[in-house]
Amino acid sequence: DAGVIQSPRHEVTEMGQEVTLRCKPISGHDYLFWYRQTMMRGLELLIYFNNNVPIDDSGMPEDRFSAKMPNASFSTLKIQPSEPRDSAVYFCASSLGQGRRTEAFFGQGTRLTVV
Amino acid sequence: AQKVTQAQTEISVVEKEDVTLDCVYETRDTTYYLFWYKQPPSGELVFLIRRNSFDEQNEISGRYSWNFQKSTSSFNFTITASQVVDSAVYFCALSEDNTDKLIFGTGTRLQVFP
Repeated sequence: DAGVIQSPRHEVTEMGQEVTLRCKPISGHDYLFWYRQTMMRGLELLIYFNNNVPIDDSGMPEDRFSAKMPNASFSTLKIQPSEPRDSAVYFCASSLGQGRRTEAFFGQGTRLTVV
Repeated sequence: AQKVTQAQTEISVVEKEDVTLDCVYETRDTTYYLFWYKQPPSGELVFLIRRNSFDEQNEISGRYSWNFQKSTSSFNFTITASQVVDSAVYFCALSEDNTDKLIFGTGTRLQVFP
């Protein structure tokens, strides 16, 4: 398997624009996680899905952020409108079985810069 | 509340030295899971190990070993005979039994010089 695939790898956008990050989990994995990494806050969970259903979105910073998982092989994280403080590396991860009991496999991340 | 503390921000060693990365966790649960991940300069996070709270056996995998001590709420990671390729940021993480959320520590940057 190719692993978790994220696109784009890098995104530079202007403040106020809509940004969509994409993730393809490992085939057969039933959990999908979106994390954000910044210098100030480290690695923090934004939202996670089980069998395409959002389970916990308490980490989503505000209404400007939304995530969807229309099917088992695709998820998006959208920021609308984007702000400079959203600049970070966004990771998608997937796991087989409960995330607490199994290892999560991470994608290479999307580095987002909002200017 | 759950929390993971990695007090060492950065460690520098010379190749072949042994190095221990500390991890202290806080949780009220009796069932929980601890993880170590490696983030090399390329940026992706690579899983290293998972332990559950009922298994306090130390683990060794090649040059890597882990010491889990519930009495001190610690899950330390030792690299024996370090190599330049071990240079990375290492994260300790915790997950409680009622959630699949991983709580990460702030990471320890390890630099191994030749």
